[in-house]
Amino acid sequence: EDQVTQSPEALRLQEGESSSLNCSYTVSGLRGLFWYRQDPGKGPEFLFTLYSAGEEKEKERLKATLTKKESFLHITAPKPEDSATYLCAVHSPTGGFKTIFGAGTRLFVKA
Amino acid sequence: EPEVTQTPSHQVTQMGQEVILRCVPISNHLYFYWYRQILGQKVEFLVSFYNNEISEKSEIFDDQFSVERPDGSNFTLKIRSTKLEDSAMYFCASRGVRGNTEAFFGQGTRLTVV
Repeated sequence: EDQVTQSPEALRLQEGESSSLNCSYTVSGLRGLFWYRQDPGKGPEFLFTLYSAGEEKEKERLKATLTKKESFLHITAPKPEDSATYLCAVHSPTGGFKTIFGAGTRLFVKA
Repeated sequence: EPEVTQTPSHQVTQMGQEVILRCVPISNHLYFYWYRQILGQKVEFLVSFYNNEISEKSEIFDDQFSVERPDGSNFTLKIRSTKLEDSAMYFCASRGVRGNTEAFFGQGTRLTVV
């Protein structure tokens, strides 16, 4: 069964304190690993797509990397506005290409 | 920038009543989805829709649920007889042509069943 596991469940950082979020996945034939940001009461907002091991993508203070078994979301010098839940997801290779989400990491950045 | 639009943003309904949640996907997208998120829990897949038919549905998507694309733009989720446990955020998503591209999500409809 396709699975996505994220750690830690919650992460509290001081402004400027860099860290990483982990996503490990089990899927029969990876067809893309996705990172989303979700603010309270809102829909997931797309951040990155990674397709193959070794690939990296960057956007402002965020960098996503991918290995054969896991992905990391590195946050460099975070600001309070980076506080959100970060969701990792994969596509199931079945007909509908549904997105399978992890439970997310809740990030709190204190000024 | 194109976006997925959902209405209403919040719906309160009595148990046993029918509700229809509406979505306008991004215009050139071909794959459409409904997901739900119970408060404090994961985003869960409900159903995928492609070429005017259901591609896949989860165990949650039982006979009380149905989807429809009545015209070229709208995509609806109907719950025939709501239960208390249907209370959740419901998200519509759409995706482009290729199978491995990212999905874009709407802001959700918060459904409260009382």
